[in-house]
Amino acid sequence: AQKVTQAQTEISVVEKEDVTLDCVYETRDTTYYLFWYKQPPSGELVFLIRRNSFDEQNEISGRYSWNFQKSTSSFNFTITASQVVDSAVYFCALSEARRTGTASKLTFGTGTRLQVTL
Amino acid sequence: EAQVTQNPRYLITVTGKKLTVTCSQNMNHEYMSWYRQDPGLGLRQIYYSMNVEVTDKGDVPEGYKVSRKEKRNFPLILESPSPNQTSLYFCASSSFTGELFFGEGSRLTVL
Repeated sequence: AQKVTQAQTEISVVEKEDVTLDCVYETRDTTYYLFWYKQPPSGELVFLIRRNSFDEQNEISGRYSWNFQKSTSSFNFTITASQVVDSAVYFCALSEARRTGTASKLTFGTGTRLQVTL
Repeated sequence: EAQVTQNPRYLITVTGKKLTVTCSQNMNHEYMSWYRQDPGLGLRQIYYSMNVEVTDKGDVPEGYKVSRKEKRNFPLILESPSPNQTSLYFCASSSFTGELFFGEGSRLTVL
């Protein structure tokens, strides 16, 4: 069975601090996808990144970066120089990859609430 | 604009009164699914559909029904809602790349 663990329930930082959100996953599949979603106070789910299990390169997008380590089954998310607008709940998720490449189901972690204050 | 549309966004109902939450996507996606979000539990899949007339149970299907008569629509039906179905519901559709596109969510309260 697939499982995603986000051990940090809530994190508070002061603006401009760097913060890392941890994500550890379990799966028996050799091919899978990993995701991060952001849920701001307005409630919608905003897609941030999708990573294929064969691609272990780290990724940077502006102030966001992701560290995928297959050896430790982790897919951590770092926000550099955090801003108040980063305040949200962040979800890590895992899906199996079917032959056609279409995800069949996302297994979500329980989320990490990030509070960025001035 | 590519989107997943859910209705209603907010609903308060009473125990046992049948309701349907509609979901429609305009991206011609084959895959659609429903999730519920509860505090401390994250999002859990209720049902999913790989294509028209093909549906399957997710992790928490009890008390729910779905249908997929058309590619674009995937309604969630609560035949006899109970208070433990009070939750935030999300519909999603997926491209062949596996990225899920979520609707804006439907907050349901069952009294």
